[in-house]
Amino acid sequence: AQSVTQPDIHITVSEGASLELRCNYSYGATPYLFWYVQSPGQGLQLLLKYFSGDTLVQGIKGFEAEFKRSQSSFNLRKPSVHWSDAAEYFCAVIGGGGGADGLTFGKGTHLIIQP
Amino acid sequence: EAGVTQFPSHSVIEKGQTVTLRCDPISGHDNLYWYRRVMGKEIKFLLHFVKESKQDESGMPNNRFLAERTGGTYSTLKVQPAELEDSGVYFCASSVTGSDTQYFGPGTRLTVL
Repeated sequence: AQSVTQPDIHITVSEGASLELRCNYSYGATPYLFWYVQSPGQGLQLLLKYFSGDTLVQGIKGFEAEFKRSQSSFNLRKPSVHWSDAAEYFCAVIGGGGGADGLTFGKGTHLIIQP
Repeated sequence: EAGVTQFPSHSVIEKGQTVTLRCDPISGHDNLYWYRRVMGKEIKFLLHFVKESKQDESGMPNNRFLAERTGGTYSTLKVQPAELEDSGVYFCASSVTGSDTQYFGPGTRLTVL
């Protein structure tokens, strides 16, 4: 069965600094990968997704992620964080067969922004 | 276009009581999913509807949980009787047929005392 690991429960970054959130997956076939963000009091919002093609994907709010098959990773990056980026971030994977299957999530990473 | 909506936003009930959560998907989305996040754990898949049919209910924890989607529009998730371990945030998501992108609602926070 597929699984997703987000090794960092909390990450603290200074405003304006760069950010990288780690995500490792375990899946036998080509994974469909997602990053979602949940701001306080809000639902999960899709940041970006990877299905195939270019391994560097651009998302909303200035985020990007790189799929690395050799490392089974899909890390999320942002060159300069803003205080509004403080939220919880979730990496997720879905079955690669194209069907509308359920998502498997990591435990999430809380991002704290220092002024 | 309205997003996925869930009602109520919060519910506090006592052990043994019944609670019904509602989800209204984005209009035209045939796929509807329920997820749950218990405190300190990851978000877990519960089940998946395609229109009014249950496509996959492998994540439903036990028979105290009953999900319905009559008419293929909104869905309800009933917990009867509720237990302490049912506390958590219940999310609903929807997607169009042929797409793997799911759109999530804000969740319902359920507290069982």
